[in-house]
Amino acid sequence: SYELTQAPSVSVSPGQTASITCSGDKLGDKYACWYQQKSGQSPVLVIYQDTKRPSGIPERFSGSNSGNTATLTISGTQAVDEADYYCQAWDIRTARVVFGGGTKLTVL
Amino acid sequence: EVQLVESGGGLVKPGGSLGLSCAASGFTFSSYTMHWVRQAPGKGLEWVSSISSGSSYIYYTDSVKGRFTISRDNAKNSLYLQMNILRAEDTAVYYCAREGVATAGNSYYFDYWGQGTLVTVSS
Repeated sequence: SYELTQAPSVSVSPGQTASITCSGDKLGDKYACWYQQKSGQSPVLVIYQDTKRPSGIPERFSGSNSGNTATLTISGTQAVDEADYYCQAWDIRTARVVFGGGTKLTVL
Repeated sequence: EVQLVESGGGLVKPGGSLGLSCAASGFTFSSYTMHWVRQAPGKGLEWVSSISSGSSYIYYTDSVKGRFTISRDNAKNSLYLQMNILRAEDTAVYYCAREGVATAGNSYYFDYWGQGTLVTVSS
């Protein structure tokens, strides 16, 4: 079955750029999206279709996807961005949704 | 405003059954594919099942196939998940999620999520 791999944790200083990666076989041939989940809350879509931002999501969130890696970039990271981030793609071969294991972003 | 409100969670013994519901409002429910996604305590997100707008296409993750049944009632703007032969590993918060409208082929994402309902399977 198709798998997406994320680092368990990433740390960043306030105001710096955070990069959260998601790897999978030929992931660049699929569309990736990203969710932010703050403690005790439901997930929120922050990037879809590799690079698109839903309305209401700050411009500091951006995405890219090429080769085997999709990347969520948070520019000028703020304390409010501290959360778990999950990548997600669709495996066309099995018609199943696949999530990465999640990355805990710490802003310190 | 799009709202998804899950209900029906609770404590059930292994081997038991439970039915979840998701009440949708603020959008044309009958036009959207809907999904169930779960999250075990302290763990990541796991996709469970999906159902197309007209119920023609239904998919399950392998671990629930044959035990869970997804359904919907477009007249009632509601999504359901009937869970049978429950196991301890089914313990999780279950979210109802709406699949966003794709502007490109094979682009699948969830643009709205409910608040989740907790299912605990324990003796």
